[in-house]
Amino acid sequence: GAVVSQHPSRVICKSGTSVKIECRSLDFQATTMFWYRQFPKKSLMLMATSNEGSKATYEQGVEKDKFLINHASLTLSTLTVTSAHPEDSSFYICSAVQPRDFNNEQFFGPGTRLTVL
Amino acid sequence: AQSVTQLDSHVSVSEGTPVLLRCNYSSSYSPSLFWYVQHPNKGLQLLLKYTSAATLVKGINGFEAEFKKSETSFHLTKPSAHMSDAAEYFCVVSDYANDYKLSFGAGTTVTVRA
Repeated sequence: GAVVSQHPSRVICKSGTSVKIECRSLDFQATTMFWYRQFPKKSLMLMATSNEGSKATYEQGVEKDKFLINHASLTLSTLTVTSAHPEDSSFYICSAVQPRDFNNEQFFGPGTRLTVL
Repeated sequence: AQSVTQLDSHVSVSEGTPVLLRCNYSSSYSPSLFWYVQHPNKGLQLLLKYTSAATLVKGINGFEAEFKKSETSFHLTKPSAHMSDAAEYFCVVSDYANDYKLSFGAGTTVTVRA
């Protein structure tokens, strides 16, 4: 149980285009999901907390107009990188928390590799 | 504020020998502590977690970690390394004062020599 998927696993796009990444909880409903960014050979940096039915909460320094997050259902959160530029190239990872899990363990998706040309 | 310091950026061991990955944490409250493993271009897999129960935690693939409050440490060990253990390892802390957000260490790269 507690499986999280991401789609696509890898995407290459041209500078100036927008890219949407999906994060799904496959066998549970996730009221809260998280989006992380990981640079090569670096640790994970939390970008935002996505709550179903409400606006996402962004971490300091993350541009909310650049990284649009939508959590329209209890099993799906999307991250849209708008007007992507080469510096947005990175590994994006989402995670989800099971409801009523007092330990708030996060289950991670496999990640999406974004390359902006 | 919560934070994690992984004391070794890179650890190299021979296959069949013990592995020790060191982690110190800082938390104002009773923390939850995790170790995750990440293989190249893959997502994160939970190895084990401490959540205020037994201080010696056993995880998957023969890994274990001991929570030592007096030393604010949560070191990860394995008695005998396998080639498949070569990966990136992250020590992670969370506490309720930070809305249970995860704070990741910088990571330790493990290489295993045949």
